[in-house]
Amino acid sequence: GESVGLHLPTLSVQEGDNSIINCAYSNSASDYFIWYKQESGKGPQFIIDIRSNMDKRQGQRVTVLLNKTVKHLSLQIAATQPGDSAVYFCAENSGGGADGLTFGKGTHLIIQP
Amino acid sequence: NAGVTQTPKFQVLKTGQSMTLQCAQDMNHEYMSWYRQDPGMGLRLIHYSVGAGITDQGEVPNGYNVSRSTTEDFPLRLLSAAPSQTSVYFCASSYSLSPGPADEQYFGPGTRLTVT
Repeated sequence: GESVGLHLPTLSVQEGDNSIINCAYSNSASDYFIWYKQESGKGPQFIIDIRSNMDKRQGQRVTVLLNKTVKHLSLQIAATQPGDSAVYFCAENSGGGADGLTFGKGTHLIIQP
Repeated sequence: NAGVTQTPKFQVLKTGQSMTLQCAQDMNHEYMSWYRQDPGMGLRLIHYSVGAGITDQGEVPNGYNVSRSTTEDFPLRLLSAAPSQTSVYFCASSYSLSPGPADEQYFGPGTRLTVT
């Protein structure tokens, strides 16, 4: 989920397990959504995206689910690996130009050995 | 391609000092932008450019200036640094103004700035 304070929510999972990271977006007019991965000391990296006319999209080990009714987005990572440890955040594009991309605060995923 | 590069990686400034954060991309992207990332907050847009010679303000432009003399470079200037500008700064680029499918926004590695 999204953070309302200074500390990011943390999700800790065992290596090999599946993980689900959630995001609540704000604008019902948003037509495009992105999940980013940010490793410590690095810039955000695109993982997967989804248009608003879809409710599910799959990539390699990742699946994004979109529920427009409750404005909820989730990222599922299958068979987590140590390299999946990072902060994950969603972004929504309401189509308003440069400032139409609104970023969530992120969730810290920790993979336990 | 080197992608999006930023220098320096780290910087410590005293209040009132000025400096320029450098950003360059070699992907021939028209659109470039600067974000700041603060603990517990999402990325916030400072300034952006839709092409050489064209810049505009984002969500949090105060205290920052930008220019875009070439397609490749988009420097961010702090004219008189303040402690409130302590943050991690990311430069990003993409082909178009509004990222979408097949038009990914690429981020640089970031500059961690501390203002004392």
